[in-house]
Amino acid sequence: QKEVEQDPGPLSVPEGAIVSLNCTYSNSAFQYFMWYRQYSRKGPELLMYTYSSGNKEDGRFTAQVDKSSKYISLFIRDSQPSDSATYLCAMSVDGGTSYGKLTFGQGTILTVHP
Amino acid sequence: NAGVTQTPKFRVLKTGQSMTLLCAQDMNHEYMYWYRQDPGMGLRLIHYSVGEGTTAKGEVPDGYNVSRLKKQNFLLGLESAAPSQTSVYFCASSYRSGGWNTEAFFGQGTRLTVV
Repeated sequence: QKEVEQDPGPLSVPEGAIVSLNCTYSNSAFQYFMWYRQYSRKGPELLMYTYSSGNKEDGRFTAQVDKSSKYISLFIRDSQPSDSATYLCAMSVDGGTSYGKLTFGQGTILTVHP
Repeated sequence: NAGVTQTPKFRVLKTGQSMTLLCAQDMNHEYMYWYRQDPGMGLRLIHYSVGEGTTAKGEVPDGYNVSRLKKQNFLLGLESAAPSQTSVYFCASSYRSGGWNTEAFFGQGTRLTVV
């Protein structure tokens, strides 16, 4: 079993819909939780960054972390065609010896159609 | 800002050939990483470096070697390419600040096909 599980989709929604993306994980030592967005044939770009539990909002994007359930979510409100991309959850443990190494989910392919 | 630059962007190799992928970052980051991305697998860590002259193995290191002779450069070598190494390779860099891990910045990727 992978340390981080993410439904690969694909997920197709109409413009304006609310999108919910999720990941589960098994390593209770994870403390940093990230969502990366990856456009076709490009490198991943950081979208949201959360430390420990809680919610974080940035414009149309909200990231939630529930450490008790080992579950993280990304919500996209008023989705736009420009949101069409692969969304990758990523996690890392805390501490100086973690050196920022990331463990990724498989990625969810999202298409927002006009 | 160039950020993280990977060279080359595309390459086709024959089985048994060797090659080196170059990663350069201009952000003065201490940490650098090589990941590979395969369909349905997400990104997996191959090797990483925590500073000039240091390297360490990641999750899938077999068949690869790395070197970090200069802080800004991180090289990934394939000594004898195999079809199983067909993948998209991403280099990334980051640093630790004030006791916190910072975000990783990624390059644009190198698409490698081994035939």
